[in-house]
Amino acid sequence: KQEVTQIPAALSVPEGENLVLNCSFTDSAIYNLQWFRQDPGKGLTSLLLIQSSQREQTSGRLNASLDKSSGRSTLYIAASQPGDSATYLCAVKGNTGGFKTIFGAGTRLFVKA
Amino acid sequence: SQTIHQWPATLVQPVGSPLSLECTVEGTSNPNLYWYRQAAGRGLQLLFYSVGIGQISSEVPQNLSASRPQDRQFILSSKKLLLSDSGFYLCAWSESGVLTDTQYFGPGTRLTVL
Repeated sequence: KQEVTQIPAALSVPEGENLVLNCSFTDSAIYNLQWFRQDPGKGLTSLLLIQSSQREQTSGRLNASLDKSSGRSTLYIAASQPGDSATYLCAVKGNTGGFKTIFGAGTRLFVKA
Repeated sequence: SQTIHQWPATLVQPVGSPLSLECTVEGTSNPNLYWYRQAAGRGLQLLFYSVGIGQISSEVPQNLSASRPQDRQFILSSKKLLLSDSGFYLCAWSESGVLTDTQYFGPGTRLTVL
């Protein structure tokens, strides 16, 4: 059974700092991994999608990496801004059993001005 | 462009009362539709998904049910709510025929059962 863990659960950093959010998963038989952003009381917004054959994806100040063999992904945020404050969720889609998506509990990020 | 709607945005219901949450998608045909629940401080839990009208797959046994009466309409229901049904309910869609594709989420419904 796939389990997705995100560390840390919460993070507070000063504006301008580069930071890394971590995601680990127990079953390496995945189809893809996706990072989402969730603002308080809102739905999820997709940030980056990495296919199992890929090592990383980049969008603006965001870079996500995937190491399938070790069951790890990181989301790197460069030059953080107060507007980056949100909860970041990692989601893994398996390549068997109906391609279910399993979500981590998220990392709550607060960027101080 | 595609748009996904959910209503109501917030709901406060007494224990034992019925529930009906609605989700509609615009701008696409025959989407895959999903219902998730997010409890405080926890990840999203998939409740139901549907690949077509009248086709519902249940992931978690519970007192909730789902229906898809129209192509782009997905309804989450309960006959009698429990305290444990409180949470944030999210509807999502993905492209037809590809369960592996990215999912797009609605704004969510905050349900509080008292």
